[in-house]
Amino acid sequence: GQQVMQIPQYQHVQEGEDFTTYCNSSTTLSNIQWYKQRPGGHPVFLIQLVKSGEVKKQKRLTFQFGEAKKNSSLHITATQTTDVGTYFCAGSGSSNTGKLIFGQGTTLQVKP
Amino acid sequence: NAGVTQTPKFQVLKTGQSMTLQCAQDMNHEYMSWYRQDPGMGLRLIHYSVGAGITDQGEVPNGYNVSRSTTEDFPLRLLSAAPSQTSVYFCASSYSGSSYNEQFFGPGTRLTVL
Repeated sequence: GQQVMQIPQYQHVQEGEDFTTYCNSSTTLSNIQWYKQRPGGHPVFLIQLVKSGEVKKQKRLTFQFGEAKKNSSLHITATQTTDVGTYFCAGSGSSNTGKLIFGQGTTLQVKP
Repeated sequence: NAGVTQTPKFQVLKTGQSMTLQCAQDMNHEYMSWYRQDPGMGLRLIHYSVGAGITDQGEVPNGYNVSRSTTEDFPLRLLSAAPSQTSVYFCASSYSGSSYNEQFFGPGTRLTVL
């Protein structure tokens, strides 16, 4: 079945350093979504990418969708303590269902 | 709007007991789903529903039942709890069954099975 792998599992950075998490699918995706989960909280939607090669920015966050629509990345520039949490990618192989397959998540710790 | 609500927030069960995790949404969303979250394994889809009266299995459906009699409610039933079902359970909903819609998650239920 479809698998979505995410690396690294954990990342510790000094405040102000950059951070990147990578997401790879075993199959071509119709779209990919990114979610953030704060410690003790629930996942919250960040963004969706649909087009091959698409790049979207939200302030210090940059999201990319690969040309083959099998991989994606989230890059945070100059991390802040408010960026702490777990970042999940979630992909779907079909546009006809809401059946999303989540990656394992990357937990980001930021040292002030 | 309350969004997606889940009850209870915490639950401790003994092996073999049954229980129902409640999930409700007030956004008139067609699509609802249940995930379990275990350390290092992300969110795994248990069951989902694309509308009232329609349910389907996700990645890890064994040991769980669901039904969807109304648009608002999507309860998850544990038939005979096992320690392997110790986890955090999240309910989510989205506007429609298309994967292009963002999912709204409830606050979660933390379940421990002894």
